[in-house]
Amino acid sequence: GQQVMQIPQYQHVQEGEDFTTYCNSSTTLSNIQWYKQRPGGHPVFLIQLVKSGEVKKQKRLTFQFGEAKKNSSLHITATQTTDVGTYFCAVYNAGNNRKLIWGLGTSLAVNP
Amino acid sequence: NAGVTQTPKFQVLKTGQSMTLQCAQDMNHEYMSWYRQDPGMGLRLIHYSVGAGITDQGEVPNGYNVSRSTTEDFPLRLLSAAPSQTSVYFCASSPPGGGPQYFGPGTRLTVT
Repeated sequence: GQQVMQIPQYQHVQEGEDFTTYCNSSTTLSNIQWYKQRPGGHPVFLIQLVKSGEVKKQKRLTFQFGEAKKNSSLHITATQTTDVGTYFCAVYNAGNNRKLIWGLGTSLAVNP
Repeated sequence: NAGVTQTPKFQVLKTGQSMTLQCAQDMNHEYMSWYRQDPGMGLRLIHYSVGAGITDQGEVPNGYNVSRSTTEDFPLRLLSAAPSQTSVYFCASSPPGGGPQYFGPGTRLTVT
């Protein structure tokens, strides 16, 4: 079945450093979503990318969708302790928009 | 709007007991899903529904039943609890057509 691979699994940074997580698929994606889950919390939707080569920004977060629509990245500039959590990518099952397929997530730890 | 609500927040069961995890949403979303989250395993889909009276299995349905008699409610039933069902359970809802999913706060279940 369709899968999305997310790397790295863990990332530990000093506050102020940048952070990037990547999501890769072997098949062309119709769209991709990104979520953030704080420790002890629930996943919260961040953004959806639809177009080839799309780049969207939310303050210090930059989201990109690859030209071939097979990969995506989330980049955080100058991390803060409030960025701590697990970042997931998710894509809808090919052929329907009923089931989300989730990456395993990247857990970000930030040293103050 | 309360969004997606889940009860209870915490539950301890003995092996063999049954229980129902409640989920309700007030956003008039057609789609609802149940996930379980275990360390290192990401979010795994248990069952989902695309409307009242319509349910389908996800990737880990064994040991769980669902029904969807109304748009608002989507309860998850554990028929005979097993220690392997110790997990955090999340309910989510979304509008049709591949939009973002909105999550409840989760139920932390321990089966002894």
